[in-house]
Amino acid sequence: NAGVTQTPKFRVLKTGQSMTLLCAQDMNHEYMYWYRQDPGMGLRLIHYSVGEGTTAKGEVPDGYNVSRLKKQNFLLGLESAAPSQTSVYFCASRGTGGHQPQHFGDGTRLSIL
Amino acid sequence: AQKITQTQPGMFVQEKEAVTLDCTYDTSDPSYGLFWYKQPSSGEMIFLIYQGSYDQQNATEGRYSLNFQKARKSANLVISASQLGDSAMYFCAMREGPGTYKYIFGTGTRLKVLA
Repeated sequence: NAGVTQTPKFRVLKTGQSMTLLCAQDMNHEYMYWYRQDPGMGLRLIHYSVGEGTTAKGEVPDGYNVSRLKKQNFLLGLESAAPSQTSVYFCASRGTGGHQPQHFGDGTRLSIL
Repeated sequence: AQKITQTQPGMFVQEKEAVTLDCTYDTSDPSYGLFWYKQPSSGEMIFLIYQGSYDQQNATEGRYSLNFQKARKSANLVISASQLGDSAMYFCAMREGPGTYKYIFGTGTRLKVLA
């Protein structure tokens, strides 16, 4: 009963390094999301996808790229990490139907030095 | 533009008492959905309850109920018979429109249940 799995759980990067966060879901959901959570600011949407091969920008997309080559996976990339990207990143997925809630992964804590 | 406001950064409640967490929203779309999530100190996000804008009755899920006042654009979460395990951050979220896939979240309320 995995649900949504995020890899890695923790990571420390140096400014300018690149990395990819992986999100995998086993619920056959169409919609997937990447959020960042910062103290006092709730969750803010970075990018989202409404199906395999599609992606769209959210509220705070700058500095991030995403890809959804397979329905079950949604990748979030940081090409050149900046200290402002230090945050906790959450992936979520949901099924079709407006009443469906989002199912979240456990989060990735990312620190940029 | 759609907006979610949670005005209570932190709240205390005595164990076994009821507590109301406030959430107001702003949208011009007649069709929307409202969600509440719980985030314990361990960090995961747990879905609690959903209310659709066209739902006639207030949503309930066990000890959780949603006090939905459409004219006031409020969707307050009521937790009855609080338990120590209810201590957590609580987030209100909104999805606007049937064809919209995006959600916005409030800044959250940190609830502490006292023994």
